Amino acid sequence: ILNVEQSPQSLHVQEGDSTNFTCSFPSSNFYALHWYRWETAKSPEALFVMTLNGDEKKKGRISATLNTKEGYSYLYIKGSQPEDSATYLCASKGSGAGSYQLTFGKGTKLSVIP
Amino acid sequence: DSGVTQTPKHLITATGQRVTLRCSPRSGDLSVYWYQQSLDQGLQFLIQYYNGEERAKGNILERFSAQQFPDLHSELNLSSLELGDSALYFCASSVVKGAEAFFGQGTRLTVV
Repeated sequence: ILNVEQSPQSLHVQEGDSTNFTCSFPSSNFYALHWYRWETAKSPEALFVMTLNGDEKKKGRISATLNTKEGYSYLYIKGSQPEDSATYLCASKGSGAGSYQLTFGKGTKLSVIP
Repeated sequence: DSGVTQTPKHLITATGQRVTLRCSPRSGDLSVYWYQQSLDQGLQFLIQYYNGEERAKGNILERFSAQQFPDLHSELNLSSLELGDSALYFCASSVVKGAEAFFGQGTRLTVV
């Protein structure tokens, strides 16, 4: 079973500020790292799926990087907007025995203050 | 709309009872995952099926069981329910291993 840790647990930023959060995961037997956005009263929605070390993905103002050797990923939000307020989850999938499960961290709850 | 359908959306039942939660994955998705989200907890992985076969098991209690049928829909059976089983239960589906998962809206189970 993988342990996925996210920090910080929660974050308050002003509208227009840029921010980032961290996801750490076991680097051994790594297969894929997922980022999800989870708005209140809705279900999680995928942002990125990353597999290669050094990979960087971008979707609008949101981007993510991946370091599989040291077992961490960063999610960046540039120029935060109130609609970015949500919980951001990362999840890791391994490649060894029992690797089929997608293990989630507890998330970083982002609140963007207008 | 993710394309994943979960029923029912809400369920209130008494302790000791048994319930069945149902999930229809997105068309073409072979993998189904079940997660439990309790108060102040993250998404706890319960079990995963791929094309009808169990592929991974997480923190699933012995009182809980699941299956995936030939038409790929899945059911999660919860029996001898306890107050602590009250939670939001999510189903997610994906095409293949490693692909992004699409989540249903969840079933809110309240055990009284």
